[in-house]
Amino acid sequence: QQQVKQSPQSLIVQKGGISIINCAYENTAFDYFPWYQQFPGKGPALLIAIRPDVSEKKEGRFTISFNKSAKQFSLHIMDSQPGDSATYFCAASGGTSYGKLTFGQGTILTVHP
Amino acid sequence: DAGVTQSPTHLIKTRGQQVTLRCSPKSGHDTVSWYQQALGQGPQFIFQYYEEEERQRGNFPDRFSGHQFPNYSSELNVNALLLGDSALYLCASSHGLTGDDYGYTFGSGTRLTVV
Repeated sequence: QQQVKQSPQSLIVQKGGISIINCAYENTAFDYFPWYQQFPGKGPALLIAIRPDVSEKKEGRFTISFNKSAKQFSLHIMDSQPGDSATYFCAASGGTSYGKLTFGQGTILTVHP
Repeated sequence: DAGVTQSPTHLIKTRGQQVTLRCSPKSGHDTVSWYQQALGQGPQFIFQYYEEEERQRGNFPDRFSGHQFPNYSSELNVNALLLGDSALYLCASSHGLTGDDYGYTFGSGTRLTVV
């Protein structure tokens, strides 16, 4: 009930391409869905977050698409750059998990020059 | 403006020993959460402290305990260390219990190795 499933585990994209990472959740009480970026030796850093009242949110090259009925959300990175190479985590919180983030397993993104 | 500060950065302990990890939250934040991140996995929630009380707890045994001080800093204690406790321990701070509006700020973590 508390799981967040993330795919793919790893992703290789050419510079300038679009990177797409998908997540699915089970707990319908979740109402906050952030994406985090983590570089080696660092803690996760918040990239962008969305709530279920909107279907899409865009910040610069990063876009979250949200499908409430399918209980899925995804991160799109437009014009991917080598500096975007990192591990990306989706997460969710809400309901009895109020204030607690449940993370996906992570996606290792590699952007080739 | 200093972000979340964790100490030490690396630590090696022997099975059965006890360890204390420390966290200073970002300026203006009053809530601290601790996460365990095993290699190649997403962070797992351990517990959250607010107003010096444990407010939420994840699925971790009682060997994991914590404390929050009046200045909002926090400690994570792990007793009777097991090899499986080897992980990156992350501290996240926020303003208020949810941190949803402003997000959680994570520290760089403490890498604990149990041998």
